[in-house]
Amino acid sequence: AQSVTQLDSHVSVSEGTPVLLRCNYSSSYSPSLFWYVQHPNKGLQLLLKYTSAATLVKGINGFEAEFKKSETSFHLTKPSAHMSDAAEYFCVVSRKAAGNKLTFGGGTRVLVKP
Amino acid sequence: GAVVSQHPSWVICKSGTSVKIECRSLDFQATTMFWYRQFPKQSLMLMATSNEGSKATYEQGVEKDKFLINHASLTLSTLTVTSAHPEDSSFYICSAMGSSGQSTYNEQFFGPGTRLTVL
Repeated sequence: AQSVTQLDSHVSVSEGTPVLLRCNYSSSYSPSLFWYVQHPNKGLQLLLKYTSAATLVKGINGFEAEFKKSETSFHLTKPSAHMSDAAEYFCVVSRKAAGNKLTFGGGTRVLVKP
Repeated sequence: GAVVSQHPSWVICKSGTSVKIECRSLDFQATTMFWYRQFPKQSLMLMATSNEGSKATYEQGVEKDKFLINHASLTLSTLTVTSAHPEDSSFYICSAMGSSGQSTYNEQFFGPGTRLTVL
């Protein structure tokens, strides 16, 4: 079985300050991990993905995430938040042996204050 | 590349009627498509997985007779909500994975979603 826990349901940051979104996963085997962003009433956009290559993954729009197996974590960071980063973020785990089914975390809503 | 569309983007229907939602892969062949539903301010929940030409596999707790899924071609899957009721109101999102030419897509590409409101 696999599961994902996003530790914060809401995160509020000021524009220009760092963003940290925390994610812990549970998976019996080596997982693939993803971060998606969803703007209001929109579909999901892939920010980045980890698939057992480099543990530090760089994504779009300045986001990056680090896979830490010992901590079973895959936290998402961005050095400087922009107003356009206000959205819902989902940490997702997948396993090829499970038919590539995605298991979503509960989501973290990011608010960016001017 | 790897674009997925959904139609309609929103629909309002009366209780008891059926609604069909289409999911299309525009520039690749989608051998597998997934259907999710998302309630307001909640995460996505997988409803079913469909492989082209095969019957869909439904997740536990999802009524297959209520949510009919057809994946008859490599570019189209449909979800029909039969005898819709207000509790079926939700945001329905599809995703697809497959191939295009020499490229194989091992990740899911998501459609923009369809908001269903049942009165």
